[in-house]
Amino acid sequence: EAGVVQSPRYKIIEKKQPVAFWCNPISGHNTLYWYRQNLGQGPELLIRYENEEAVDDSQLPKDRFSAERLKGVDSTLKIQPAELGDSAVYLCASTGGAGAEAFFGQGTRLTVV
Amino acid sequence: AQKVTQAQTEISVVEKEDVTLDCVYETRDTTYYLFWYKQPPSGELVFLIRRNSFDEQNEISGRYSWNFQKSTSSFNFTITASQVVDSAVYFCALISVGGSNYKLTFGKGTLLTVNP
Repeated sequence: EAGVVQSPRYKIIEKKQPVAFWCNPISGHNTLYWYRQNLGQGPELLIRYENEEAVDDSQLPKDRFSAERLKGVDSTLKIQPAELGDSAVYLCASTGGAGAEAFFGQGTRLTVV
Repeated sequence: AQKVTQAQTEISVVEKEDVTLDCVYETRDTTYYLFWYKQPPSGELVFLIRRNSFDEQNEISGRYSWNFQKSTSSFNFTITASQVVDSAVYFCALISVGGSNYKLTFGKGTLLTVNP
């Protein structure tokens, strides 16, 4: 069975440019998370979806970040415009239940120059 | 609110030594789950173990063992006879499921370096 798939693996953009990340969770997993991981830190939650509904986006910087999960399967996270401080690894994870383990994709390493 | 604290930022050991990674958590809920993840240099987070709040039985899996103590809100991870391949960042995580709004919260991680 395929794991969580993310693309692209790496992205370098200039500040003020837009960028988008894509995630395909494990089949059948209703819960999808987007995390941001800064160097030397643990993952920090940006948004959590239950099916197509964003049930926790309290830590998503809504002035520049947006996300969607149409049809409750794959998801896209967008930043527009990107800032230097957005450089980080963006991780997507999915889980099959409230207390089940989350499975992570390989992440997208974003560098904003 | 929930919180996970991993006080050890970095640990360095020599191969074959035993090493314990500490994890202390905070939550107001009585129903919660604790996890350990490994993040090797490749970057992907690899799930290691899950424990629920009602099961304090310690667990052993090969060279890995976990000690869950609710009295001290700790969920420590021990690697016996460490190997170079164990070098990675290890994260402890917590999810409380007492309410409808829950999230998986991570500690800041412990960088383990096992030297040959």
